[in-house]
Amino acid sequence: DAKTTQPTSMDCAEGRAANLPCNHSTISGNEYVYWYRQIHSQGPQYIIHGLKNNETNEMASLIITEDRKSSTLILPHATLRDTAVYYCIVRFPPLQETSGSRLTFGEGTQLTVNP
Amino acid sequence: GAGVSQSPRYKVAKRGQDVALRCDPISGHVSLFWYQQALGQGPEFLTYFQNEAQLDKSGLPSDRFFAERPEGSVSTLKIQRTQQEDSAVYLCASSLALGGEQYFGPGTRLTVT
Repeated sequence: DAKTTQPTSMDCAEGRAANLPCNHSTISGNEYVYWYRQIHSQGPQYIIHGLKNNETNEMASLIITEDRKSSTLILPHATLRDTAVYYCIVRFPPLQETSGSRLTFGEGTQLTVNP
Repeated sequence: GAGVSQSPRYKVAKRGQDVALRCDPISGHVSLFWYQQALGQGPEFLTYFQNEAQLDKSGLPSDRFFAERPEGSVSTLKIQRTQQEDSAVYLCASSLALGGEQYFGPGTRLTVT
């Protein structure tokens, strides 16, 4: 799986949009970009994933650049409960892996939403 | 519905003791994963089951670590002769199918003294 690079930490004001960047310059053509987050003392939680097109769900939006070398997770109206470590993960489709699509986490970005 | 549950939530073991950590996946989920998370780090893959078959154990750090899922549901991660470096949070995740979204439990925090 391709390696990802994320800032160590970010701050955001409550009610504002949080934009979390991720670089994945070695991503291959059929690797997906996934985002998970981990609130303190909890297990990671799936947020969103995409291949080429921008994606949106009830939690967030994912913007992937045209060359796919980077992406941005957007939380449109951050709340205090969004304070967490956010992980950007690149992975192959399951049938291309023998490991059942294990998730390879980096160190993530600690997002702190301030009141 | 019920999510992934893990027990115990906290475990303190003296160095050299054996421990067993339990994972109850979401009912009907075929795939089950174990991860280890050291303080301040992201989770690291340990092993993976498809039903009762352990298809990948390449992440297990030593032969003191053993995992099983005999009936394709509940799984147990066993650590023999615990060492201080085994102190970590052990996370279990399950998914409905191969490659599907993984749902994580709250983890078991193991402290070896």
